[in-house]
Amino acid sequence: DIQMTQSPSSLSASVGDRVTISCRTGQNINRFLNWYQQKPGKAPKLLIYAASRLKSGVPSRFSGSGSGTDFTLTISSLQPEDFATYYCQQSYSTPVWTFGQGTKVEIK
Amino acid sequence: EVQLVESGGGLVQPGGSLRLSCAASGFTFSTYYMHWVRQAPGKGLVWVSRIGADGSDTGYADSVKGRFTISRDNAKNTLYLQLSSLRVEDTALYYCVRNQAGVVNATQYWYFDLWGRGSLVTVSP
Repeated sequence: DIQMTQSPSSLSASVGDRVTISCRTGQNINRFLNWYQQKPGKAPKLLIYAASRLKSGVPSRFSGSGSGTDFTLTISSLQPEDFATYYCQQSYSTPVWTFGQGTKVEIK
Repeated sequence: EVQLVESGGGLVQPGGSLRLSCAASGFTFSTYYMHWVRQAPGKGLVWVSRIGADGSDTGYADSVKGRFTISRDNAKNTLYLQLSSLRVEDTALYYCVRNQAGVVNATQYWYFDLWGRGSLVTVSP
């Protein structure tokens, strides 16, 4: 299975801050990387697929970058509704769809 | 409304069995690959199983292989997960998830675009 390492596991930030979350994979996955947001008590929601493609309806303050083994999710200006846990997921080596361990974004 | 609604969860003893169902509505269920993803309390997301659109292509995580069986009834727009030989570590919220594909620069990328609210399975003596 492809190993996924997200960092940091948690972070504290203020509204308006720029936030970056890293996802590193154990092997080259090209751009087969997705990002999800999960709020407490809710199902995850897709933010980004193919490393950098924003899902329709997702605010443009979210962006994704990277290819190969190193990927980044950036929130350009953190909003109150963005406090949540974020997961990366590889879709290169299916049928095993590996998720990162998650990054919890908390209010400073 | 496009949605997935899971049911069938509950409390079961170790070694027991349970069948989860997922009712799909608002889209052409029979044309999509579907998955089950679970989340133990306070933990992260773990992919469990997937099934092809016509039911002929199945896959499982190593942790559930031989114990769980995924199936679907396209006439009823319903996805199933049969859980057997349950262990305490199978305790989790089980999500039904739709697989979607997007084409970028002539390459097809897969992602999970629709999730149910989950069905809680608790395995305890």
